[in-house]
Amino acid sequence: EAGVTQFPSHSVIEKGQTVTLRCDPISGHDNLYWYRRVMGKEIKFLLHFVKESKQDESGMPNNRFLAERTGGTYSTLKVQPAELEDSGVYFCASSHDQGLAGIETQYFGPGTRLLVL
Amino acid sequence: AQSVTQPDIHITVSEGASLELRCNYSYGATPYLFWYVQSPGQGLQLLLKYFSGDTLVQGIKGFEAEFKRSQSSFNLRKPSVHWSDAAEYFCAVGPMEYGNKLVFGAGTILRVKS
Repeated sequence: EAGVTQFPSHSVIEKGQTVTLRCDPISGHDNLYWYRRVMGKEIKFLLHFVKESKQDESGMPNNRFLAERTGGTYSTLKVQPAELEDSGVYFCASSHDQGLAGIETQYFGPGTRLLVL
Repeated sequence: AQSVTQPDIHITVSEGASLELRCNYSYGATPYLFWYVQSPGQGLQLLLKYFSGDTLVQGIKGFEAEFKRSQSSFNLRKPSVHWSDAAEYFCAVGPMEYGNKLVFGAGTILRVKS
């Protein structure tokens, strides 16, 4: 079974440019999450999709960030325009339907390392 | 609000020595607890998790962790460290309510010396 994949692995852009990150979750996983680790800080939650719907976007830093999950499969995270403080590692994770269990293990991708100059 | 503290930013141990990485959490109810590892150039890999039941949890690569409610701790242990264990380790707590987001500690970087 393929794991969570993310593209690109690295991206270097200039301030003011636009970058789009992609995440392909594990097949069959309804839940998809985005997290971010800014240099030297904790990994922080950005948002959570259940299928194509945004379940929780409380961690999105501002309206320069736009996440989509059309068709409930892969997801994109667009940063427009990028600022210096957006630099960091963006992780995607997926999990199976929670059902009655309350929580399911999240499986993480390798991350996209974004550097804004 | 939930929080996770990993007091040690860096730890260096000799190969073959035992290891304990500390994790303390702040949470109002019984948490779901996780340890993840990130090796250089790799993504986050789940080492082990605690949901309920036996408070001593076994994971992959010979790791174990013990949930101690009275101390709000979930420390990670390994009896004999291998050079390949050099990585960054993250403790995380999951909430009870629907949403399922994880709250992470700042991470502990493990260095293994030969």
